[in-house]
Amino acid sequence: GAVVSQHPSWVICKSGTSVKIECRSLDFQATTMFWYRQFPKQSLMLMATSNEGSKATYEQGVEKDKFLINHASLTLSTLTVTSAHPEDSSFYICSARIGGFYEQYFGPGTRLTVT
Amino acid sequence: AQSVTQPDIHITVSEGASLELRCNYSYGATPYLFWYVQSPGQGLQLLLKYFSGDTLVQGIKGFEAEFKRSQSSFNLRKPSVHWSDAAEYFCAVGNDYKLSFGAGTTVTVRA
Repeated sequence: GAVVSQHPSWVICKSGTSVKIECRSLDFQATTMFWYRQFPKQSLMLMATSNEGSKATYEQGVEKDKFLINHASLTLSTLTVTSAHPEDSSFYICSARIGGFYEQYFGPGTRLTVT
Repeated sequence: AQSVTQPDIHITVSEGASLELRCNYSYGATPYLFWYVQSPGQGLQLLLKYFSGDTLVQGIKGFEAEFKRSQSSFNLRKPSVHWSDAAEYFCAVGNDYKLSFGAGTTVTVRA
């Protein structure tokens, strides 16, 4: 149980274009989803927290206009990287939390490469 | 603000030997502490967690961790390592349902 999927697992896009990453909780309803960014050999950095039906809360230093987060349902959150640039290349990971519980369940991540 | 330090970037251990991964936290109140493992192509998997109570916590895959408030530590241990334990391990502290992760420790298992 508590499986989280991400799609795509790997994407290459050209500089200036936008790319959307999906995060789905497959067998549970997630009241809260989180988006992280991970650089090679580094830790996970929380980008934003999203609650179903509400605007996402972004961490300090994260550009909300560049990283658009939508959490339209209890099983789906999307991260759109707008006008992507090479410095946005990274590993993006989502996680989901079941209401009332502290644990987060993580997706396998999406490798974004911007050329 | 809470923070987590994992002093060891990389540890190499022989199969069958014991393993200990260090984690130190900085947090004003009683912390919620977690250990996650990340394997290539897979999402982070929760190994164990500490919220309160018994300071020795048992987790999955034969792992355990001990919370020591006096040392602000939450070290992860496994008595006998298997080759499949080669992975990246992250310690995390929770606050307001958000997690702050350490930099991670890469574990290599040699035959």
